[in-house]
Amino acid sequence: TAGITQAPTSQILAAGRSMTLRCTQDMRHNAMYWYRQDLGLGLRLIHYSNTAGTTGKGEVPDGYSVSRANTDDFPLTLASAVPSQTSVYFCASGAGHTDTQYFGPGTRLTVL
Amino acid sequence: GESVGLHLPTLSVQEGDNSIINCAYSNSASDYFIWYKQESGKGPQFIIDIRSNMDKRQGQRVTVLLNKTVKHLSLQIAATQPGDSAVYFCAENSGGSNYKLTFGKGTLLTVNP
Repeated sequence: TAGITQAPTSQILAAGRSMTLRCTQDMRHNAMYWYRQDLGLGLRLIHYSNTAGTTGKGEVPDGYSVSRANTDDFPLTLASAVPSQTSVYFCASGAGHTDTQYFGPGTRLTVL
Repeated sequence: GESVGLHLPTLSVQEGDNSIINCAYSNSASDYFIWYKQESGKGPQFIIDIRSNMDKRQGQRVTVLLNKTVKHLSLQIAATQPGDSAVYFCAENSGGSNYKLTFGKGTLLTVNP
């Protein structure tokens, strides 16, 4: 079982360009999450989805959008990247609100 | 607002010793707690969890203790090994319908051979 996969592993992006970070899970978890991790700030929630067809805003949603067309996929889109979006992005999934979240390997994004 | 914090940002131990990593939480409504391990360049990895109706839970070489009176959570690692070197996060879920976790900033554990 692959668990959670993310793509790409890393990316350098010019400011102003758009990009979609991909996340796929094969555990049939209802809930999925996107976090960014920055030194000294820890993990901060960007967006989440409790179940397919629904999404919600986290702590730092500005500049990001998500969609949840099906259970397995939860892509994160940066419409017009800015240097402050340079970070490591982690996708996670969980079976429900009292269950743990399982993380993907991360995408390291650099916006120049 | 409510937050999860860690007492020690770094911890250095000798191989074979026991390690204790502490975490304070402030949301008395939190009903579920998790410890994660994150190695350099990797995603957080689930270690152990505990629900608020328990005081202690044991796994393989790890034990989590929950003291609801003082809102304190700890992770004990027995016979620490070099492979245990990583950043350890605690996280809490305060319940409700948002399915969200609040993470501490982490403690860096270094195991000296």
